[in-house]
Amino acid sequence: EAQVTQNPRYLITVTGKKLTVTCSQNMNHEYMSWYRQDPGLGLRQIYYSMNVEVTDKGDVPEGYKVSRKEKRNFPLILESPSPNQTSLYFCASRRSGQTYGYTFGSGTRLTVV
Amino acid sequence: GQQLNQSPQSMFIQEGEDVSMNCTSSSIFNTWLWYKQDPGEGPVLLIALYKAGELTSNGRLTAQFGITRKDSFLNISASIPSDVGIYFCAGQLDNFGNEKLTFGTGTRLTIIP
Repeated sequence: EAQVTQNPRYLITVTGKKLTVTCSQNMNHEYMSWYRQDPGLGLRQIYYSMNVEVTDKGDVPEGYKVSRKEKRNFPLILESPSPNQTSLYFCASRRSGQTYGYTFGSGTRLTVV
Repeated sequence: GQQLNQSPQSMFIQEGEDVSMNCTSSSIFNTWLWYKQDPGEGPVLLIALYKAGELTSNGRLTAQFGITRKDSFLNISASIPSDVGIYFCAGQLDNFGNEKLTFGTGTRLTIIP
């Protein structure tokens, strides 16, 4: 089944403890992206990648890092999480070209205490 | 980063009613997208629009790319219970080479029994 898989689905952590949220897609998509969803703010783009080793900042990149060493994986790294990074995170991927049909993962709900 | 204004924020309707929602921006977009999010899931693409003035349908859903390029509209005819969810618009400035996708704040649709 074609899908974007995020892990974990739920995570509670403490301030300052480094964490990684993994994202993997099995559709050979070139483009991948991370979003965070907060009440009243919709989805905001954190980082995106247009191919292996090509990444760029979205609208809210502060406090996050990403890497794209392989086409299928696009992990989101929080080096020193803070409570304001408590949010619902989505990874998404799509094929290059005009059809902007991003496929989203099921989300990771992160709580930083 | 810029944000899209969606209205209304929420809608309470009866089954069978038609629904209209819109999205406006202070900036021009070259692509407009409409997504739906079910509880506990990631957004799913409903309709993509690529040309100013374009009107596109997907079953009971119809969306339009505003002629000014600063707005878009989504209509749902004869609503059914599975239409419940959050609807997001999204806009993109460049067709190529720029993956910054800006989402609206969402319209939550509820069907009253």
